[in-house]
Amino acid sequence: DQQVKQNSPSLSVQEGRISILNCDYTNSMFDYFLWYKKYPAEGPTFLISISSIKDKNEDGRFTVFLNKSAKHLSLHIVPSQPGDSAVYFCAAGDSGNTPLVFGKGTRLSVIA
Amino acid sequence: GAGVSQSPSNKVTEKGKDVELRCDPISGHTALYWYRQSLGQGLEFLIYFQGNSAPDKSGLPSDRFSAERTGGSVSTLTIQRTQQEDSAVYLCASSLNSQSPLHFGNGTRLTVT
Repeated sequence: DQQVKQNSPSLSVQEGRISILNCDYTNSMFDYFLWYKKYPAEGPTFLISISSIKDKNEDGRFTVFLNKSAKHLSLHIVPSQPGDSAVYFCAAGDSGNTPLVFGKGTRLSVIA
Repeated sequence: GAGVSQSPSNKVTEKGKDVELRCDPISGHTALYWYRQSLGQGLEFLIYFQGNSAPDKSGLPSDRFSAERTGGSVSTLTIQRTQQEDSAVYLCASSLNSQSPLHFGNGTRLTVT
């Protein structure tokens, strides 16, 4: 039973446009959410997070939106750059010291 | 300071052999995690250490898998009698505490032939 779902395995976007990566979760106990970025042959690197007390968190070109009622979050990258091409993982956790649960990832390709 | 270091980076082994994977976390990080990523799959949680103790071993797929952590630092993941389905990238991560973002190593790519 997947608790964190990324339903789009891949996404292709033109350079300069907005990239929107989506993530859905089922466990209502999750209270913080993170996005990780992974290049080939490297481990995932932390990108941005959001706590359930917020509905938006912004860091430069990256913004994460959280819709708790829909159990949905999204990562917006604008403007998209070729260097953003990577696999993006959504992850969720609760405050009970349980390990993060990851989605299967979405491969983003930004085309110049 | 150095990030999370994993060794070996690649390991090819024959079915039935034992393998040992090593993880050096970031100095001072008390929490350490093992995940694995099989082809086309997400990150599957295996085991979590807080200090030297493992409060959550729920992700270990079978009793062929074990892990230990000594001195609150280095961790080893051991897979006994490897099977082809064990082929995956094994990722180690550490964090300052269980509420902080995880910092991942580059992983060990295990191939069981």
